Amino acid sequence: EPEVTQTPSHQVTQMGQEVILRCVPISNHLYFYWYRQILGQKVEFLVSFYNNEISEKSEIFDDQFSVERPDGSNFTLKIRSTKLEDSAMYFCASRKDTLFREAFFGQGTRLTVV
Amino acid sequence: DQQVKQNSPSLSVQEGRISILNCDYTNSMFDYFLWYKKYPAEGPTFLISISSIKDKNEDGRFTVFLNKSAKHLSLHIVPSQPGDSAVYFCAASQTGANNLFFGTGTRLTVIP
Repeated sequence: EPEVTQTPSHQVTQMGQEVILRCVPISNHLYFYWYRQILGQKVEFLVSFYNNEISEKSEIFDDQFSVERPDGSNFTLKIRSTKLEDSAMYFCASRKDTLFREAFFGQGTRLTVV
Repeated sequence: DQQVKQNSPSLSVQEGRISILNCDYTNSMFDYFLWYKKYPAEGPTFLISISSIKDKNEDGRFTVFLNKSAKHLSLHIVPSQPGDSAVYFCAASQTGANNLFFGTGTRLTVIP
């Protein structure tokens, strides 16, 4: 069964460093998302991406964040200068098209900023 | 501004009994609702959904009920099994918007 895969599963980085979280969405899906979950809190929407551009973003997704689809399969989230409060589980998700409202999630990347 | 609310952070149920998880929403533009199940250290897994044109959707042991006038939905699991123990998230979306709004989750524990 097709699935969304994320790498790495766990990333530890020093405050101020740049990190890139990688995702391979399900191959025939058109919409891509990043969400995050700070420990003990709800799953929060960061950004959605469609047709090679950002379609929506939340207040959390400020200038330190960027997303890219560098090739036909990968979808990346870059955090330019990490802060302690960026520590969270980051989930990538994809959705097939406008007719299908279900998003399918990867297993997540745990980002720890020290 | 919490548009999707799950007011019960946890629920414990005996194996074989019914589990009822509740969710409320505030945005009347939401027209599609989903339930996700999440195990520790894993991503949310889609479970069941319902469109606002329906008031009930059933899939095996899982049934979702939608009460649009009350802006309330619930997930019923019957019979509950120990493997159902997980955190359950309610999510909502509206036509024309791409993202899903999640509730804070309810941790279900099914006691053998």
